[in-house]
Parts: sequence; C-alpha cells; structure tokens
Amino acid sequence: GEEVAQTPKHLVRGEGQKAKLYCAPIKGHSYVFWYQQVLKNEFKFLISFQNENVFDETGMPKERFSAKCLPNSPCSLEIQATKLEDSAVYFCASSQSGGPYGYTFGSGTRLTVV
Amino acid sequence: KQEVTQIPAALSVPEGENLVLNCSFTDSAIYNLQWFRQDPGKGLTSLLLIQSSQREQTSGRLNASLDKSSGRSTLYIAASQPGDSATYLCAVKSSFGARFGAGTRLTVKP
Repeated sequence: GEEVAQTPKHLVRGEGQKAKLYCAPIKGHSYVFWYQQVLKNEFKFLISFQNENVFDETGMPKERFSAKCLPNSPCSLEIQATKLEDSAVYFCASSQSGGPYGYTFGSGTRLTVV
Repeated sequence: KQEVTQIPAALSVPEGENLVLNCSFTDSAIYNLQWFRQDPGKGLTSLLLIQSSQREQTSGRLNASLDKSSGRSTLYIAASQPGDSATYLCAVKSSFGARFGAGTRLTVKP
C-alpha cells in the first residue's frame, strides 16, 4: 500500500506491563524508522532498519526497548516493563532508500502507561 | 552530531498574511531537508522535500528554500488561511537518519 500502517492506534498499559507496537512500511521501502514524541515535544529518534538489519540504534534505551523488522512481517517495537515516562506517541516512518528519498510517516501509536 | 533548531517556537498571524518559518542545522553534510505539518493528535504530513543539490521547492502557496552552506531553510507560506494552523516541523536527513527540529506552532486567526 501507499501508506505506513501503524497498529494499534491507542494502547494503555499498567506500569510494568509489556507493550508491543507494529508498523507496516510502504511496499518497496527498504528503510524503517521509529521515533518517540512525548507530549507534543521534540521527535526523538529511536532506531532505524535497512530491510531486516538494524541500521542505527543510537537512540534506543536498550534496557527495556527492542525492535525487529522480519521478512514478510510488520516491524515491531517492544517495551518490556513499561514506565510512566514511556507514555508518548510512537511514530514509524519508511523511506525508499537511505539516501535522497524523503520519509512517509504513519499516524502513530499513542501509548499511555498508567 | 546534527542539531536542528526552529524559530520561532510559536507564531500567531491574522488570516491573509504572508509568513516565514525558519529551520537551521549544524552539519551541512545532508541528503535532503523535509518540511512536515502535524495537526493536533495526528501524524505527520509531508509538505516539501528539498534535495541537498536544490535551492528551493514550491507547492501551491508553500515555498521552501535551502542554503546548505549556511545551514538554513525557510518555509514561506503565502496568503495564510485558518486551515494552515498546525505545527510545522523540519527534518534534516543525513547518513545517520533524520533529525527533527522542535517545530513551530502556527495559529492563523480568521
């Protein structure tokens, strides 16, 4: 399809529970990026993939966050043992390549940790 | 490390006014710069994409310029309308991915 599909749109988790978010990039886009936006503030880069390989993970809080992009499956971002400060909107974007192409964003998943 | 700054943080103008939003970045080794619009509670909509070799891009009432050497881009909105009210973000893409500015929150009053 021509849009980046993120599911679910909303997710509520109790503190300490696991949260798993999904992203289906546009067909033919080989790069996938995850960003976190807390309270409409700055977009924080988390991780990027080139196909199923991690390209850049410098933004990932590695203790509790993990991500995968497996062939023929939506990409996923998983947060183990969620904390209140994980409450944010998580955006996924895809790009045709890592070079001159722009990004197309999904509509985001709003995670609320209570 | 790429730092992206957007000025002003917020802007309120009457309908019909022309306006300029600014984006500056610290590392000129970029692939491109992309302007997005974010409506409250929504995702990002791409407005304009300027490649590093280009000077400007236009779409309707929007014109974006890029001066890579000075690390600056501007988004010009002509004849603003209330429907233009949103947060505008610039994203600078390099070999390390995109870095975003904090955005300019635009309000166009009828």
